[in-house]
Amino acid sequence: NAGVTQTPKFQVLKTGQSMTLQCAQDMNHNSMYWYRQDPGMGLRLIYYSASEGTTDKGEVPNGYNVSRLNKREFSLRLESAAPSQTSVYFCASSEGRGTDTQYFGPGTRLTVL
Amino acid sequence: AQSVTQPDIHITVSEGASLELRCNYSYGATPYLFWYVQSPGQGLQLLLKYFSGDTLVQGIKGFEAEFKRSQSSFNLRKPSVHWSDAAEYFCAVSPYTNAGKSTFGDGTTLTVKP
Repeated sequence: NAGVTQTPKFQVLKTGQSMTLQCAQDMNHNSMYWYRQDPGMGLRLIYYSASEGTTDKGEVPNGYNVSRLNKREFSLRLESAAPSQTSVYFCASSEGRGTDTQYFGPGTRLTVL
Repeated sequence: AQSVTQPDIHITVSEGASLELRCNYSYGATPYLFWYVQSPGQGLQLLLKYFSGDTLVQGIKGFEAEFKRSQSSFNLRKPSVHWSDAAEYFCAVSPYTNAGKSTFGDGTTLTVKP
């Protein structure tokens, strides 16, 4: 039982390049989330998926797209990376009820030059 | 809109001393409240959560937190800190209907002196 896994762990991009961050969970959770964490700040929600087939914007969705590929996988795409997107990205999952706990992956550290 | 304030950016305590990390929230109704811990280079791990009922909540690793509605606070405490508790701590609030819409505080970094 690996929990929540993220790939890659580290990535360096040039401005304008695109990439997809992958996330998978093996806990049969309904809901999945993407956050970004910037220095000195808490996590900010980018997008979330309450259940398979649905996605919704969070607090900071601009510049990102997501795909809920199936119940296990939730990917985050940067179409044209900008230096402002340099951050640590965390994926999380939860059962999907209002009171449940979110389980976090180890994070992807992204640098955009 | 909901918000969370963690007034202390950085706290240093001696090993064996007691700890209290402050969290104040703003939300129009009864919120769901969480404390998470993040070790360097790691994701977040839930320490404890409050939904309703007893206002003193026990969590993992010997932590507890007390919900005080009148003060809009949810402070985290530990009676005796261990060196392994050095980490960053985040308080979070979410609306009653959707824990996925959590708002996180900016975090408090805990340093433990030997």
